[in-house]
Amino acid sequence: GAVVSQHPSRVICKSGTSVKIECRSLDFQATTMFWYRQFPKQSLMLMATSNEGSKATYEQGVEKDKFLINHASLTLSTLTVTSAHPEDSSFYICSAPPPGTSGGWGDTQYFGPGTRLTVL
Amino acid sequence: GIQVEQSPPDLILQEGANSTLRCNFSDSVNNLQWFHQNPWGQLINLFYIPSGTKQNGRLSATTVATERYSLLYISSSQTTDSGVYFCAVGGGATNKLIFGTGTLLAVQP
Repeated sequence: GAVVSQHPSRVICKSGTSVKIECRSLDFQATTMFWYRQFPKQSLMLMATSNEGSKATYEQGVEKDKFLINHASLTLSTLTVTSAHPEDSSFYICSAPPPGTSGGWGDTQYFGPGTRLTVL
Repeated sequence: GIQVEQSPPDLILQEGANSTLRCNFSDSVNNLQWFHQNPWGQLINLFYIPSGTKQNGRLSATTVATERYSLLYISSSQTTDSGVYFCAVGGGATNKLIFGTGTLLAVQP
């Protein structure tokens, strides 16, 4: 089946530093990937849609200058949390539609294992 | 945007019991998925079910799109079924998924 990986699985950083999280589709190409954030005991909240070869689309209330998204290839999207602060500590999860789809509506999605970010 | 509510928010079962989890959504959707989030945070796909009924072992799901709800049935529950169950829906021109509020299930031996 379709596999999505994330790296790192866990990261601890100091306040003010930047952290990069990678999302890879291992056995398929993904023109679209999605980034979610999950705070403890809460649901997943969509942050942005990552589009290969073009700018990401951010959800309302998500700062695009703070959460930089780059979808440089058909198998890799990166999320960079710039100038991280303790309130950015969260579980970040990416997803992508599986192969054989157009990435459009009505497609099932597969999720990466998540990255737990702790900002001290 | 679409609102997605799940019930109950918490559920405690004895091993072997059956349960029904519900997902209500506020608008028409063309994508609905059920997930189980394990203790390590990994989301496990259970069903892709924008309409109709599907079964997979002890789990089954039914979505009545015209009435805007979906049900997840767990039969003969096991302790390994514990975790959070999410439904997520999508609609419109994009494939964005909006997650429900989740149901925290604890199955006791």
